Amino acid sequence: GAVVSQHPSRVICKSGTSVKIECRSLDFQATTMFWYRQFPKKSLMLMATSNEGSKATYEQGVEKDKFLINHASLTLSTLTVTSAHPEDSSFYICSARDQLAGEQFFGPGTRLTVL
Amino acid sequence: LAKTTQPISMDSYEGQEVNITCSHNNIATNDYITWYQQFPSQGPRFIIQGYKTKVTNEVASLFIPADRKSSTLSLPRVSLSDTAVYYCLVGDGGSQGNLIFGKGTKLSVKP
Repeated sequence: GAVVSQHPSRVICKSGTSVKIECRSLDFQATTMFWYRQFPKKSLMLMATSNEGSKATYEQGVEKDKFLINHASLTLSTLTVTSAHPEDSSFYICSARDQLAGEQFFGPGTRLTVL
Repeated sequence: LAKTTQPISMDSYEGQEVNITCSHNNIATNDYITWYQQFPSQGPRFIIQGYKTKVTNEVASLFIPADRKSSTLSLPRVSLSDTAVYYCLVGDGGSQGNLIFGKGTKLSVKP
């Protein structure tokens, strides 16, 4: 099946620094990718929809200036958590929609810990 | 997007068949029903998708009644490795395609 990768798988950073997370569709093109956040023992919460070549669409309550999304190619979307704080510590998961098959595939997630 | 309701948790024993039911009373005509499995610290994994009646693949079956207001995921002969959270989602997978996750069902399989 289609594969979506995320890098890094886990990252620890100091408060106030910025962290970039990459999401790649490895064997299909994805005009649309999605970013989710998941806190411990909670469900996935959609943060934003990333569209190739255009601005991302953010869900209500998600700060677009704090969570910068770039979708510069059909196989890569990046999420940058700017000026990270401990409350940003979470599990970040991306998904990519195969534009031909219409199916959506999830990445393995990135564990972010802000000290 | 249709809201889904699932049991918060279920317990089972190895070798048993497990049926997890999901309610989606407001499902739209063009919505599909998709089930995902998630292990701790991993991304969700696609299990099965259907529109109506019954769908079966190598890991599960999905039963959807005629009114489509609910669906049942059936896992035959579960093993300890099936312990996970199972999410039921509905959506048209269309141009928007964003999947909204409910709370999911935590399935615990015991020896």
